[in-house]
Amino acid sequence: QVHLEQSGAEVKKPGASVKVSCKASGYTFSNYHLFWVRQAPGQGLEWMGMINPVGGDTHYAQSLQGRVTMTRDTSTSTVYMELSSLRSEDTAVYYCARGAYDSSGNLGYWGQGTLVTVSS
Amino acid sequence: DIQMTQSPSSLSASVGDRVTITCRASQGIFSWLAWYQQKPGKAPKFLIYGTSILQSGVPSRFSGSRSGTDFTLTISSLQPEDFATYYCQQYNTYPYIFGQGTKLEIK
Repeated sequence: QVHLEQSGAEVKKPGASVKVSCKASGYTFSNYHLFWVRQAPGQGLEWMGMINPVGGDTHYAQSLQGRVTMTRDTSTSTVYMELSSLRSEDTAVYYCARGAYDSSGNLGYWGQGTLVTVSS
Repeated sequence: DIQMTQSPSSLSASVGDRVTITCRASQGIFSWLAWYQQKPGKAPKFLIYGTSILQSGVPSRFSGSRSGTDFTLTISSLQPEDFATYYCQQYNTYPYIFGQGTKLEIK
């Protein structure tokens, strides 16, 4: 069964960076793109970007360009999302997700979420 | 970027009611639209993809349709477990934007 296990909650100061991991299991890692979505407290879902485990190609939301980096480690079937120059507005739950049947972009499987709190 | 305008932002309804939530895309996205349900403190749940294809295990009271760039999620007879927030998402063109969400509350 498909499972996406994310790393634990983080508390960071403004200006710092955070790196969240998402370990995939239950399927062939290279066969599906992985996506990152975040949700600020009381707000809606924000699509952040995607990574193709084959080759590491990425596509990021314009609003995060220059601050977000998505990488993968094929040896451990893990993807990472690093966000730099953190500000209070980055306080959110960060989710990794995968398509249900393909990499078209719908999100059938989700990690449990990682709360990142940015506070001085 | 393609914009997704979801309406209403909130909706009060009773068990047994039929409800409709709409998403309008700012440009054509073919049928590359998905719907999700989210309950407080939980990750979103995948309901519908390809505009109208129900994910396995999703009750048949949920349905999706399209008219041009207008997409609709319909719940034919609300059940207590359906009270949640619903989001549409286009996945035709990067970035794969979500609608703003519709909070469905008990009247």
